[in-house]
Amino acid sequence: AQTVTQSQPEMSVQEAETVTLSCTYDTSESNYYLFWYKQPPSRQMILVIRQEAYKQQNATENRFSVNFQKAAKSFSLKISDSQLGDTAMYFCAFRASTGNQFYFGTGTSLTVIP
Amino acid sequence: KAGVTQTPRYLIKTRGQQVTLSCSPISGHRSVSWYQQTPGQGLQFLFEYFSETQRNKGNFPGRFSGRQFSNSRSEMNVSTLELGDSALYLCASSFAANYGYTFGSGTRLTVV
Repeated sequence: AQTVTQSQPEMSVQEAETVTLSCTYDTSESNYYLFWYKQPPSRQMILVIRQEAYKQQNATENRFSVNFQKAAKSFSLKISDSQLGDTAMYFCAFRASTGNQFYFGTGTSLTVIP
Repeated sequence: KAGVTQTPRYLIKTRGQQVTLSCSPISGHRSVSWYQQTPGQGLQFLFEYFSETQRNKGNFPGRFSGRQFSNSRSEMNVSTLELGDSALYLCASSFAANYGYTFGSGTRLTVV
């Protein structure tokens, strides 16, 4: 079975600063996909960034980037130049390439302070 | 391009009643999954449908059921509602495994 762990229930960051959210996972699969989702107070879950495990290069999407350490089974999210609109719950998720189910972490509540 | 549409947005039901929630996926997405989200348990997987067939099921009692129609629209049903069923129910559709989910805005169910 797959598990996803987010060890930081809450975090805060000053506007324009950089923050890193942690995620670790456990799996015996060799090929899989990792995702970060954002859920603002409006409750719509939005895909922030995704990473394919067979790609060594870390994914980036504008101000969002990941640090993917496959051997350590770590997948952290870095948000640069934090904005007030980044305030949300962030969920890390795993999906095996052969599976149909996503496994989510318990989430990190991020608050951007003006 | 329309997103994932869930109806209704809010629902209040009494213990013992049953409820049906609806989800219309993004056009072209054949996979539809349902999740229950609560503050204490986080996101818990209910089931996934693909081309009208249930492909995967989470660890929920038989009171929770679902189905998918030929147009990929999906419904989930909860019978004999309990107070603990109060939650945000999220539907998500997917084109392929590596593309991730697109989520709907959810249905907030309150059981009183």
